[in-house]
Amino acid sequence: NAGVTQTPKFRILKIGQSMTLQCTQDMNHNYMYWYRQDPGMGLKLIYYSVGAGITDKGEVPNGYNVSRSTTEDFPLRLELAAPSQTSVYFCASRKTNQPQHFGDGTRLSIL
Amino acid sequence: AQSVTQLGSHVSVSEGALVLLRCNYSSSVPPYLFWYVQYPNQGLQLLLKYTTGATLVKGINGFEAEFKKSETSFHLTKPSAHMSDAAEYFCAVSEGNDYKLSFGAGTTVTVRA
Repeated sequence: NAGVTQTPKFRILKIGQSMTLQCTQDMNHNYMYWYRQDPGMGLKLIYYSVGAGITDKGEVPNGYNVSRSTTEDFPLRLELAAPSQTSVYFCASRKTNQPQHFGDGTRLSIL
Repeated sequence: AQSVTQLGSHVSVSEGALVLLRCNYSSSVPPYLFWYVQYPNQGLQLLLKYTTGATLVKGINGFEAEFKKSETSFHLTKPSAHMSDAAEYFCAVSEGNDYKLSFGAGTTVTVRA
């Protein structure tokens, strides 16, 4: 079992570029989440999904988009990268009535 | 809406000493409460959780936490610190079983030899 896998682990983007952060899980979890972690701020929820084809906004969704075409995958897209999006991004998944399992994160710098 | 306050962004303890990390929450419904640990360059790992039932919860690596409704607290303790406990610790709350977590800002623990 690989658990929750995030790619890439590190990335540097220029302002205005776009990219997709990949997240896949092999545990057949129906719920999936994207968080960002900024120093001294804890984790903030960006988007979440309760199953394939269903997504919803979290606390800080502006500047991001998601899709959930399969149970396994939950990619996060940045369309026009801004310096404020420099952060560490975590994907998580869970089964019904179970806590979240986290990936190892993607460290993103926008210059 | 729920929120979490972790008191103290940094805690330093001697090896073998008590570890006490403080967490207070607010929630409009009975909360589910969690403690996660994060080692450098890794994701978050669940230490323990409180959902319903017994208010003293035991977790992995010798940690435990007690839910005190009257104090809206969920403090994390470990009787004897090990060097391997050096990490960042996050308290989180969800409003019941929706599991949409709100996290505290985190507490970094350093352990002195």
